Amino acid sequence: QKEVEQNSGPLSVPEGAIASLNCTYSDRGSQSFFWYRQYSGKSPELIMFIYSNGDKEDGRFTAQLNKASQYVSLLIRDSQPSDSATYLCAVFLNSGYALNFGKGTSLLVTP
Amino acid sequence: GAVVSQHPSRVICKSGTSVKIECRSLDFQATTMFWYRQFPKKSLMLMATSNEGSKATYEQGVEKDKFLINHASLTLSTLTVTSAHPEDSSFYICSAWGQGNQPQHFGDGTRLSIL
Repeated sequence: QKEVEQNSGPLSVPEGAIASLNCTYSDRGSQSFFWYRQYSGKSPELIMFIYSNGDKEDGRFTAQLNKASQYVSLLIRDSQPSDSATYLCAVFLNSGYALNFGKGTSLLVTP
Repeated sequence: GAVVSQHPSRVICKSGTSVKIECRSLDFQATTMFWYRQFPKKSLMLMATSNEGSKATYEQGVEKDKFLINHASLTLSTLTVTSAHPEDSSFYICSAWGQGNQPQHFGDGTRLSIL
């Protein structure tokens, strides 16, 4: 099984700060990367996806991909308490476009 | 609004009962639907991949006779947990995928509790 690794946290940041979430993956052939947010007891909600090296910005969220280093990150600017959740990094599995999830990083934004 | 509807959201039943969970894609044709399971404080684990009109592909360690999957149309897949036992208690989540590199859309999940 190809691995997707995340620091489980919890990562605690003050309100208004930048939260930086990191993810590494083992399959060098991976092409598509996803960040999902999951609140406790709820199903994952897509935040962003990225396919190309570099940065992709959407509102307060920026995804960064470095395929050479097999590293993908998510930056959350102006963090809000409502951003407190578990953030899941996911990569397409080789076959059939199923997702291989990391274990998630728990983010806590303190007022 | 939700693009994938999953029903029911919560089930509590006795050991030995069979439980059916429905997953519908609401505004697109889902070439493939996926079923995941998540235990407390764990990540989502893929159980099976379901393609319309064909048999589901199960991940290693998932019993296909216990977790019956039917994908009769491009908008509906069902997961039936047969003769459920307490160890089957978990959060079951479906997702639907249309084509290409488009991301999957998840249902709201079904929390299954077997007494």
